[in-house]
Amino acid sequence: NAGVTQTPKFRVLKTGQSMTLLCAQDMNHEYMYWYRQDPGMGLRLIHYSVGEGTTAKGEVPDGYNVSRLKKQNFLLGLESAAPSQTSVYFCASSDERGAHYGYTFGSGTRLTVV
Amino acid sequence: SQQGEEDPQALSIQEGENATMNCSYKTSINNLQWYRQNSGRGLVHLILIRSNEREKHSGRLRVTLDTSKKSSSLLITASRAADTASYFCATRGNQFYFGTGTSLTVIP
Repeated sequence: NAGVTQTPKFRVLKTGQSMTLLCAQDMNHEYMYWYRQDPGMGLRLIHYSVGEGTTAKGEVPDGYNVSRLKKQNFLLGLESAAPSQTSVYFCASSDERGAHYGYTFGSGTRLTVV
Repeated sequence: SQQGEEDPQALSIQEGENATMNCSYKTSINNLQWYRQNSGRGLVHLILIRSNEREKHSGRLRVTLDTSKKSSSLLITASRAADTASYFCATRGNQFYFGTGTSLTVIP
């Protein structure tokens, strides 16, 4: 039972490069989320999805795009990476907005933009 | 910020002692959740308390919620070195916000 799987775990990008972070969950959750975690800032929501084919902006969406073509996958894209996007990125999923069992998190992707 | 704020930011105790962390928030909530994050890992859900509950237990964890004061506390009893981690509260209202965390160190 894998839960939430994120790939890759580490990545170094040059400014202006693009990349896609993949999140996959096997719990049949409707809701999926992308967060970034920076020192002293806690977790901030980038984008989220309430079901297959839906996406919505979170607290810090600028510079990111997402897609949810399949229920089990949620992709986060950086079209033109900037040093300010250096962070640890976490994907999470939940049932009914986490009302009953909270969120299940992946182990994170550490991204450095140089 | 609409995030929850944990207090203290850092806590260091001896193994066997109890650890108490507090969370304050600003908006009305449906539930409040506590998470643990070990270094370099993702967050793990510990416990959820609904707005109509005042206290909840899970193993060595005890959570209280005071909606009139917009605050919650997490008590870890008989701490162990393996409890060393960061602990976050998260509030579920119209949106879901995480606090900035308490870093707990349990010294063997």
